[in-house]
Amino acid sequence: SAVISQKPSRDICQRGTSLTIQCQVDSQVTMMFWYRQQPGQSLTLIATANQGSEATYESGFVIDKFPISRPNLTFSTLTVSNMSPEDSSIYLCSVEGQGYNEQFFGPGTRLTVL
Amino acid sequence: EDQVTQSPEALRLQEGESSSLNCSYTVSGLRGLFWYRQDPGKGPEFLFTLYSAGEEKEKERLKATLTKKESFLHITAPKPEDSATYLCAVQGTGTYKYIFGTGTRLKVLA
Repeated sequence: SAVISQKPSRDICQRGTSLTIQCQVDSQVTMMFWYRQQPGQSLTLIATANQGSEATYESGFVIDKFPISRPNLTFSTLTVSNMSPEDSSIYLCSVEGQGYNEQFFGPGTRLTVL
Repeated sequence: EDQVTQSPEALRLQEGESSSLNCSYTVSGLRGLFWYRQDPGKGPEFLFTLYSAGEEKEKERLKATLTKKESFLHITAPKPEDSATYLCAVQGTGTYKYIFGTGTRLKVLA
């Protein structure tokens, strides 16, 4: 399985500011995914990031609010823009494994917006 | 619409008391059903993938089974270190997208 790291692990931010979360993988992967996990709720897919193409966003998520970069096959960033307290959540990146369909997750970034 | 429902929401067991967690799903063609374990403050840890009805997978005290409508995660003689939230997800055919349930929070008491 891939080893995935995320930075920062947690942050407390003020309303109206932006935060960029980094995801680094120890091997080259085609597809990377960004999820949100709000307190007491299931994981929700925000977008899929393929290297060399624009990210694909799920219903309810837009590029202006959650811009994503995917500069190479081992790295991606997710920015949470113009934050409000409703953005307080855990943000997770994941990658598809070498096996069939499994996704492996990073440790997450716990974001609190005041 | 693809959907995953997990039950119970929370479960408390005595050490050694076996039980099962349920994951009911609705999907238009199952590509895979996945079980994860999530500890507080950490990302989900992959446990099992099941692909077709009748399939079973085992790992230590955990055994996952699959039917056409649901999956069970059986925990045999659990230990306190098995305490975690267990997540179920499905992937439909023709998509990379996972649909997650809300999880079962398991607490095993010594």
